[in-house]
Amino acid sequence: QKEVEQNSGPLSVPEGAIASLNCTYSDRVSQSFFWYRQYSGKSPELIMSIYSNGDKEDGRFTAQLNKASQYVSLLIRDSQPSDSATYLCAVAYKAGTALIFGKGTTLSVSS
Amino acid sequence: KAGVTQTPRYLIKTRGQQVTLSCSPISGHRSVSWYQQTPGQGLQFLFEYFSETQRNKGNFPGRFSGRQFSNSRSEMNVSTLELGDSALYLCASSLAGTTSDTQYFGPGTRLTVL
Repeated sequence: QKEVEQNSGPLSVPEGAIASLNCTYSDRVSQSFFWYRQYSGKSPELIMSIYSNGDKEDGRFTAQLNKASQYVSLLIRDSQPSDSATYLCAVAYKAGTALIFGKGTTLSVSS
Repeated sequence: KAGVTQTPRYLIKTRGQQVTLSCSPISGHRSVSWYQQTPGQGLQFLFEYFSETQRNKGNFPGRFSGRQFSNSRSEMNVSTLELGDSALYLCASSLAGTTSDTQYFGPGTRLTVL
């Protein structure tokens, strides 16, 4: 059974700090990795996608992928209260197959 | 470009009834996936359609079914509703449903079964 694991949190950080969100996955043939943000009562929206080992940066967000360790992370620099949400890690491993989602990590950024 | 739309946004049904949910993908997107989101189980995959064909199905009972039309719009049907079917049903579209395609989510349909 393919699984994606995330610490449910809540992860609490002060405004301006770095928030680090982690995700592990069970299937070595996983090919693509996505981070979605979901505000309460809203649908998930894509923050980052990453497909190869290493880091990928987009503004305040950096995704890191280590396929050998089956680990993907999301760093949020200069965290803002508006970043307070649930962050979902999702893994795709086969064309046309579902995204397998973790249950999400709740981030709370205090001002 | 307009995003993914879902109708209706909210539904209240009673046990034993059936329900049909609709999803219109982003223009040009041919793959539509459906997910169920509950507080306990998180986001779970229901099925995916591409060019009017169901390519994959998740571990849900046969009461859950779907279809896709030639214009890529998709419908999902749940028959003989149970209390446990209360959830947020999300539709996501992507260009072709490959592993590198981004799936864009609609606002969801909140189904409550009484």
